[in-house]
Amino acid sequence: ETGVTQSPTHLIKTRGQQVTLRCSSQSGHNTVSWYQQALGQGPQFIFQYYREEENGRGNFPPRFSGLQFPNYSSELNVNALELDDSALYLCASSLARQGNTEAFFGQGTRLTVV
Amino acid sequence: AQKVTQAQTEISVVEKEDVTLDCVYETRDTTYYLFWYKQPPSGELVFLIRRNSFDEQNEISGRYSWNFQKSTSSFNFTITASQVVDSAVYFCALSEVSRSNYQLIWGAGTKLIIKP
Repeated sequence: ETGVTQSPTHLIKTRGQQVTLRCSSQSGHNTVSWYQQALGQGPQFIFQYYREEENGRGNFPPRFSGLQFPNYSSELNVNALELDDSALYLCASSLARQGNTEAFFGQGTRLTVV
Repeated sequence: AQKVTQAQTEISVVEKEDVTLDCVYETRDTTYYLFWYKQPPSGELVFLIRRNSFDEQNEISGRYSWNFQKSTSSFNFTITASQVVDSAVYFCALSEVSRSNYQLIWGAGTKLIIKP
């Protein structure tokens, strides 16, 4: 059983640029959720994808967008990067609509915007 | 409104001491789930426990134990005989059934430092 993997692990971008972060979900999981974790804070929900459709979104602007592919892997895209977008971005996979199961997290992508 | 509150920002104890991490939550749902996750310096969130709102039995797993009290909306986590390897940031999280995607709502975390 493979775990959740994210790439890249670290990334430095310039303000105004665009970035794509990738996540491979755990085998058998069809749901991927993305979280943003600023330094010293708890994660904040960005959005969730279930069977290639967005299934809920947190309080993030439209320049945060995502995709889920038929193999349930996912991408997070952020356009027009701002300095405040600097954070650890975490991907979690789970079995959909089953709140009684845990989410499995990847090691995260540390994004620095300069 | 803050839904999950971890009032302890940082706790520092000497190895072998017992330590309790507090978590207070707020929800209008009657069915919900509570979680604890551990985040070591590597960044990955490691699942520790899940508890549903209908199960108020305390749970013990080795040196870890959890005390869930609906009357006080608390879900506290105790580490007995702490070890240096327990040093990490610990997060409490809430998942509400009213949110169809069961998104996790997180506390701000408690940084636990275990000194040798």
